[in-house]
Amino acid sequence: GQSLEQPSEVTAVEGAIVQINCTYQTSGFYGLSWYQQHDGGAPTFLSYNALDGLEETGRFSSFLSRSDSYGYLLLQELQMKDSASYFCASGDNLFFGTGTRLTVIP
Amino acid sequence: NAGVTQTPKFQVLKTGQSMTLQCAQDMNHNSMYWYRQDPGMGLRLIYYSASEGTTDKGEVPNGYNVSRLNKREFSLRLESAAPSQTSVYFCASSEAGAGRETQYFGPGTRLLVL
Repeated sequence: GQSLEQPSEVTAVEGAIVQINCTYQTSGFYGLSWYQQHDGGAPTFLSYNALDGLEETGRFSSFLSRSDSYGYLLLQELQMKDSASYFCASGDNLFFGTGTRLTVIP
Repeated sequence: NAGVTQTPKFQVLKTGQSMTLQCAQDMNHNSMYWYRQDPGMGLRLIYYSASEGTTDKGEVPNGYNVSRLNKREFSLRLESAAPSQTSVYFCASSEAGAGRETQYFGPGTRLLVL
């Protein structure tokens, strides 16, 4: 089977940095993707890691360690609009984590 | 370029009724997917189609059927709806092979089964 585990909730202050972790167990590995979903909206793609290391896309970065079956999404210079749910997913799109709800406070 | 479109946006069914959720994409993607999302939960894959003419079961296929009508369209059918199928249904598409990790989602269909 496959599973991707994330913390259920994270709260952070506007302007700060927050890290959302994802640990996974998969029978095969196709990389790790990250999605953002605002309440009532559809998921939107943020980032993908096929190999170990850090991928940076503007204020968002994603990290992968295949040896540790672990990845994280790093959000910098937090803005109120970053309040949303964030999901990690297997790179083959077959499995998603249960999601982390990020609340950004003033 | 509309991306991924889904119809209907909302639907209320009685237990035992049937319905088909429609999905279409205009990005010339080979792969299409149907997910369900229950309140406070992540997405669970129902069925996917890696390419036109093929379909495969995902994590939660029971109670559903799919049809890949052509490269653009991928429909999901509930033959006999049950209250446990109350959920938000998302369709998505992506490239096949390299680039498949980038999925584009439709706006979702909110289904209530009474």
